[in-house]
Amino acid sequence: GAGVSQSPRYKVAKRGQDVALRCDPISGHVSLFWYQQALGQGPEFLTYFQNEAQLDKSGLPSDRFFAERPEGSVSTLKIQRTQQEDSAVYLCASSRGFGVFTDTQYFGPGTRLTVL
Amino acid sequence: KQEVTQIPAALSVPEGENLVLNCSFTDSAIYNLQWFRQDPGKGLTSLLLIQSSQREQTSGRLNASLDKSSGRSTLYIAASQPGDSATYLCAVKEDDNAGNMLTFGGGTRLMVKP
Repeated sequence: GAGVSQSPRYKVAKRGQDVALRCDPISGHVSLFWYQQALGQGPEFLTYFQNEAQLDKSGLPSDRFFAERPEGSVSTLKIQRTQQEDSAVYLCASSRGFGVFTDTQYFGPGTRLTVL
Repeated sequence: KQEVTQIPAALSVPEGENLVLNCSFTDSAIYNLQWFRQDPGKGLTSLLLIQSSQREQTSGRLNASLDKSSGRSTLYIAASQPGDSATYLCAVKEDDNAGNMLTFGGGTRLMVKP
């Protein structure tokens, strides 16, 4: 496809379960970002990859959150021992460039996670 | 830490009105500012991107201005239509090699009534 895709689109988890969210960026895009968007709020940065290197993970809220991009394309955001406050939409974005030349970020449709 | 604020949080207008959405940011050392549109259940669509050296950008009925020194941007929508109903988000990218992420405001939820 031409855009960023994410799967699953919706995920319901019981408190304490582990979840894995997938992002397929636009082919050839170097930069990949994960954001968390709580209901009624703007997205908040979680982590950033340049190819397979995770250059910034300052936004990850706890050590229960882990992200990887082993081959520099598909990325997975994993949340261990989910809690109710993890309920949010998780957005993935990719961009062609990197560093100060990072241009427009293209966003996927998001994964809505509900933790019961 | 950069903080981005959008006013108003929600806005309802009749079709045909011209309207202005406001965005302010606390740290003027930005690389660029973007306005996005978000429809329910969908991702963000970039509307306009203004580089820090620019004053405004236009696309169709949309015009975005940037006053970097005062930390403000406005999105002007002319002749609003029901199809413009969505949440509008502004986001800044900071002027820092390490700061590749965007910092978003809370959004303005716009409803245009027929």
